Amino acid sequence: KAGVTQTPRYLIKTRGQQVTLSCSPISGHRSVSWYQQTPGQGLQFLFEYFSETQRNKGNFPGRFSGRQFSNSRSEMNVSTLELGDSALYLCASSSGTTLTDTQYFGPGTRLTVL
Amino acid sequence: KQEVTQIPAALSVPEGENLVLNCSFTDSAIYNLQWFRQDPGKGLTSLLLIQSSQREQTSGRLNASLDKSSGRSTLYIAASQPGDSATYLCAVSSDRGSTLGRLYFGRGTQLTVWP
Repeated sequence: KAGVTQTPRYLIKTRGQQVTLSCSPISGHRSVSWYQQTPGQGLQFLFEYFSETQRNKGNFPGRFSGRQFSNSRSEMNVSTLELGDSALYLCASSSGTTLTDTQYFGPGTRLTVL
Repeated sequence: KQEVTQIPAALSVPEGENLVLNCSFTDSAIYNLQWFRQDPGKGLTSLLLIQSSQREQTSGRLNASLDKSSGRSTLYIAASQPGDSATYLCAVSSDRGSTLGRLYFGRGTQLTVWP
């Protein structure tokens, strides 16, 4: 069974631009969670989607948004990029049957904001 | 709010040593605890998952224990090898209402095993 895939793997953007990251979950999984990892803050939860609905949300500004499609693939968008948004963005998928199902992580997208 | 702390932040040991990584958490309302490995610039690889009702889990040279009431977990690595060099992250899954299922991560222990 294929694992979680994330595209692109690397991105370079400039301040003020916007960016869209994509995550394809493990086949059959309906929940996708997004995390941001920075040297300063470590790994922080962004949001979780299940069946095209945001089910859980962390403490990030409204510039960070996401969505999920009917095939469970998810995208996250960051608008008006700031230097501090440079990070490794990880997504994780789970079956979603319960909120405490085991999460499986993708390789991440490395975003650099110049 | 759940706070997860890992000690030490970095560890450098010669090959063959047995070592212990520590993780503590402030809120005992957890569903499970998971240990991950992260290689530089890469995603997370799950090593061991301990349900809140369990005391320990073992996989090969790895053994993780959980004391939920005291808010502590340890990851024991036996006979360390250079290939074990990575950052080890501890994460707890919240069992509390509005944050149910959310993972809270520690900052990790960066392990270097030299030949």
